[in-house]
Amino acid sequence: GAGVSQSPSNKVTEKGKDVELRCDPISGHTALYWYRQRLGQGLEFLIYFQGNSAPDKSGLPSDRFSAERTGESVSTLTIQRTQQEDSAVYLCASSLSGWGGTQYFGPGTRLTVL
Amino acid sequence: AQRVTQPEKLLSVFKGAPVELKCNYSYSGSPELFWYVQYSRQRLQLLLRHISRESIKGFTADLNKGETSFHLKKPFAQEEDSAMYYCALSGHQAGTALIFGKGTTLSVSS
Repeated sequence: GAGVSQSPSNKVTEKGKDVELRCDPISGHTALYWYRQRLGQGLEFLIYFQGNSAPDKSGLPSDRFSAERTGESVSTLTIQRTQQEDSAVYLCASSLSGWGGTQYFGPGTRLTVL
Repeated sequence: AQRVTQPEKLLSVFKGAPVELKCNYSYSGSPELFWYVQYSRQRLQLLLRHISRESIKGFTADLNKGETSFHLKKPFAQEEDSAMYYCALSGHQAGTALIFGKGTTLSVSS
């Protein structure tokens, strides 16, 4: 079956603009995660969804970042008033359940803020 | 503090040589440990997890709670093992996200 998909694969934007990143998880996966990977850094947790609720938003770096999820389906990560330090690869992962389940990753969205 | 440390940014070995990718962790409790791998132009994927106690592509990893380590080993490296390897941990609560190390690039040359 289809894996996790993300769009766009690349996004170049100007500082101050808003961007929306999309993630389509594997069908039937209740848990969805967003991570960020800045150049030379490990993956950094941003937010976790169980169904369409977000019990853990602890990783969101600022109030410019928000995310939502429709049911157990698509999720969007929105970054408002982008800054250059937001440049990174944003990865989405999904798992069958919220605990102990193997996380399956999407190909990522490379965001470049000029 | 919860942390995963991979001390080597780059590990270069010759084909047929043994490989050990180091991973140390800090966690208050009993975490679940994973190794993820990213081959060139491919997405991040699970290589192995400590509770499975399995060998994948010739790689094994043993959890050493005393040393808080989860080193990845392979007795004879192959060129196709060249990739970025990430060690990660997860707590035992529902929905706990993965905490990743910064990754080690393994380069195997002939």
